[in-house]
Amino acid sequence: NAGVTQTPKFRVLKTGQSMTLLCAQDMNHEYMYWYRQDPGMGLRLIHYSVGEGTTAKGEVPDGYNVSRLKKQNFLLGLESAAPSQTSVYFCASTRGDLTEAFFGQGTRLTVV
Amino acid sequence: GQQVMQIPQYQHVQEGEDFTTYCNSSTTLSNIQWYKQRPGGHPVFLIQLVKSGEVKKQKRLTFQFGEAKKNSSLHITATQTTDVGTYFCAGPDNYGQNFVFGPGTRLSVLP
Repeated sequence: NAGVTQTPKFRVLKTGQSMTLLCAQDMNHEYMYWYRQDPGMGLRLIHYSVGEGTTAKGEVPDGYNVSRLKKQNFLLGLESAAPSQTSVYFCASTRGDLTEAFFGQGTRLTVV
Repeated sequence: GQQVMQIPQYQHVQEGEDFTTYCNSSTTLSNIQWYKQRPGGHPVFLIQLVKSGEVKKQKRLTFQFGEAKKNSSLHITATQTTDVGTYFCAGPDNYGQNFVFGPGTRLSVLP
């Protein structure tokens, strides 16, 4: 089992460009999450999903959109990238709420 | 909203010394999790504590949940270079649906 896989691992965007980050999990987990990690600020929740077809806002949702069309995939979109979105993005999945989280390897995004 | 604080922010120790990081919440937590993130890596789950006063051990790591369930600690005995990384605690948010992560304690171990 691969666990949680994120693509791409690195990306450089110009301000105003759009992109989609893909997260795939093969553990049949119900819950999936997108976090961003900035120096000294830990992990902040962007959006999450409690099941296929559902999404909800987290702590810092502005500038991002998500979709969960299939149970195993959770997509994070940036419609118009801004330098403030330069960060490391982590996807995670859990079997249920407040259970052990499995994280992907991360995507390092730079917006110039 | 729910806030989880951690101290210290950084800790430098000589190999073989002990290390402790503390996690504090302004509200009572139903449970708490601990994660380790190696430099350049992703967070990896270490443990979950649920009961008041609970103490769990994993080899050289000792995890404790406070009696009031508002604080927790992670103690590493005789640190090794493999312990290098950032240790995060995470507690449930106000709605009890998602975890809120603390800012982490970055541990460096000098050989």
